[in-house]
Amino acid sequence: AQSVTQPDIHITVSEGASLELRCNYSYGATPYLFWYVQSPGQGLQLLLKYFSGDTLVQGIKGFEAEFKRSQSSFNLRKPSVHWSDAAEYFCAVGGRYTGNQFYFGTGTSLTVIP
Amino acid sequence: NAGVTQTPKFQVLKTGQSMTLQCAQDMNHNSMYWYRQDPGMGLRLIYYSASEGTTDKGEVPNGYNVSRLNKREFSLRLESAAPSQTSVYFCASNGLAGAYNEQFFGPGTRLTVL
Repeated sequence: AQSVTQPDIHITVSEGASLELRCNYSYGATPYLFWYVQSPGQGLQLLLKYFSGDTLVQGIKGFEAEFKRSQSSFNLRKPSVHWSDAAEYFCAVGGRYTGNQFYFGTGTSLTVIP
Repeated sequence: NAGVTQTPKFQVLKTGQSMTLQCAQDMNHNSMYWYRQDPGMGLRLIYYSASEGTTDKGEVPNGYNVSRLNKREFSLRLESAAPSQTSVYFCASNGLAGAYNEQFFGPGTRLTVL
């Protein structure tokens, strides 16, 4: 069965520090992977996605993610965090064999300290 | 383009009351989805419609019904609301019939059942 795990429920970083949010997935074939961000009281916005090809993908707002098949991971990174990055982040998996469904992790809440 | 719109934004119901949440998209997307978001549980799929004229159950369909009225609109109905249905509800759509591309989310409906 498909599943997504985000091991970190909450992360706190200082503004200007680097950030890495972890995502592990379980999927029987090549997955389609997504990272979304949700600001308080808002819907979800796509940060980046991976379908195939280069395993390092660039997204909006200076975020990037690396697909590692051997580790079943798709971790999100940012070199220097801004206060406006404080939000909830969700990893999701889709693909040809998910029965038209997407599977979401439980989310990681990011707090940024000035 | 407005993207994905949801009405209402907020709603308070008493136990046993019924209501319909409305969702519309203007991106000519084939697939539409209803999720609920609860603290610590991420997004859970209630129902989805891979294409006009079809609907399928997701992870948590009990207590809900859906209607894919046309290609643009996908409504979610609570026939007899229960306190356990207090949640934030998100509608989403994506262009292909399948989990092959990113979803676009509406702003959410915050529902409280007393």
